[in-house]
Amino acid sequence: DSGVTQTPKHLITATGQRVTLRCSPRSGDLSVYWYQQSLDQGLQFLIQYYNGEERAKGNILERFSAQQFPDLHSELNLSSLELGDSALYFCASSGTGLAYNEQFFGPGTRLTVL
Amino acid sequence: SQKIEQNSEALNIQEGKTATLTCNYTNYSPAYLQWYRQDPGRGPVFLLLIRENEKEKRKERLKVTFDTTLKQSLFHITASQPADSATYLCALIANAGGTSYGKLTFGQGTILTVHP
Repeated sequence: DSGVTQTPKHLITATGQRVTLRCSPRSGDLSVYWYQQSLDQGLQFLIQYYNGEERAKGNILERFSAQQFPDLHSELNLSSLELGDSALYFCASSGTGLAYNEQFFGPGTRLTVL
Repeated sequence: SQKIEQNSEALNIQEGKTATLTCNYTNYSPAYLQWYRQDPGRGPVFLLLIRENEKEKRKERLKVTFDTTLKQSLFHITASQPADSATYLCALIANAGGTSYGKLTFGQGTILTVHP
């Protein structure tokens, strides 16, 4: 158990809908990362937050947005969902968010868009 | 374009042998390289980190090498066991700080199967 929690574990929804994925980092970690894992694209970095502020951005679609709240939990919002958004979404956390920190991954949320 | 390649999609070895996995990269200047293990349906688990100025790092049965001239990292598991069967991912961080921070770029992974 990494200490990172994600809810829900599974999510099934329809095209065009909007969903929110939630992540609680390990106690004491200030940085949160979001990743998407699909069979064809592998594990792709989406976005990083540090203590409430956006720190780094990957190839995150405009339909996706995220935030980190004062209690350090984070939410990833996915809107206007398409079939291709079906994937495993992982949240990870680290202490300071610096490059040499190991990242602790949560169990993931499996999103299925029908 | 930037690319990270892990040489085999799958690697099968006998228990007790050494597994060697390869990670090659092009058009990167990584400051750090990390290796993770991922079991089916679960999140990746950090194994080892090596810095650009380090040649080798060890942890128990694991060893990582980093050759910035060849643009390659090798990951070794000695005395392999069936419990080592998993997907192994290499990940790069392009800069030591600046705007990259903790942005990991992952390879596609190598599925290792250790047969009893």
